[in-house]
Amino acid sequence: AQSVTQPDIHITVSEGASLELRCNYSYGATPYLFWYVQSPGQGLQLLLKYFSGDTLVQGIKGFEAEFKRSQSSFNLRKPSVHWSDAAEYFCAVGAGNTGFQKLVFGTGTRLLVSP
Amino acid sequence: EAGVTQFPSHSVIEKGQTVTLRCDPISGHDNLYWYRRVMGKEIKFLLHFVKESKQDESGMPNNRFLAERTGGTYSTLKVQPAELEDSGVYFCASSLRPGGVHEQFFGPGTRLTVL
Repeated sequence: AQSVTQPDIHITVSEGASLELRCNYSYGATPYLFWYVQSPGQGLQLLLKYFSGDTLVQGIKGFEAEFKRSQSSFNLRKPSVHWSDAAEYFCAVGAGNTGFQKLVFGTGTRLLVSP
Repeated sequence: EAGVTQFPSHSVIEKGQTVTLRCDPISGHDNLYWYRRVMGKEIKFLLHFVKESKQDESGMPNNRFLAERTGGTYSTLKVQPAELEDSGVYFCASSLRPGGVHEQFFGPGTRLTVL
């Protein structure tokens, strides 16, 4: 069965510092991979997605992620964190027949940004 | 364009009572999904509608949960009778088409507390 692991429950980063959030997945075929962000009181917003092609994917808000098949990883990065990036981040893999029908999520990583 | 809306935003009920959650997808989106996040755990898929038909309800926990989508527009998720373990945040998402590159747009969620 498909699964996603986000090993870090909480991460604290200083404003202006770089960020990397880890995500490992388990999926038999070529995965569809996603990163979502949830700010307080908001729904989940898609940051970026990987389906095929270039393994380095650019997203919104200055985020990027790199797909590494050999490591079954899809880590999220940002070179310089802003206070507004404080939120909860979810990695997900698309699963199901005929493309994907549902998302399988990790447990999320809460990002705290210190001044 | 209005996003996915959910009502209520919060609900507190006693064990054994009934609660109905509502989701209004983005206009024109045939695909509607329900997910749930129990505290500290991952966001889990509950079911997927295509228009008014249930495409996949493999994630529904038990027969105390009933989801409907009248006329292929809004959807309701009824829990009857509610148990303590039903507490969590219920998310609704919609997409234009299933599978492939079609993003799922999420609502802000309904936080359900069963006392």
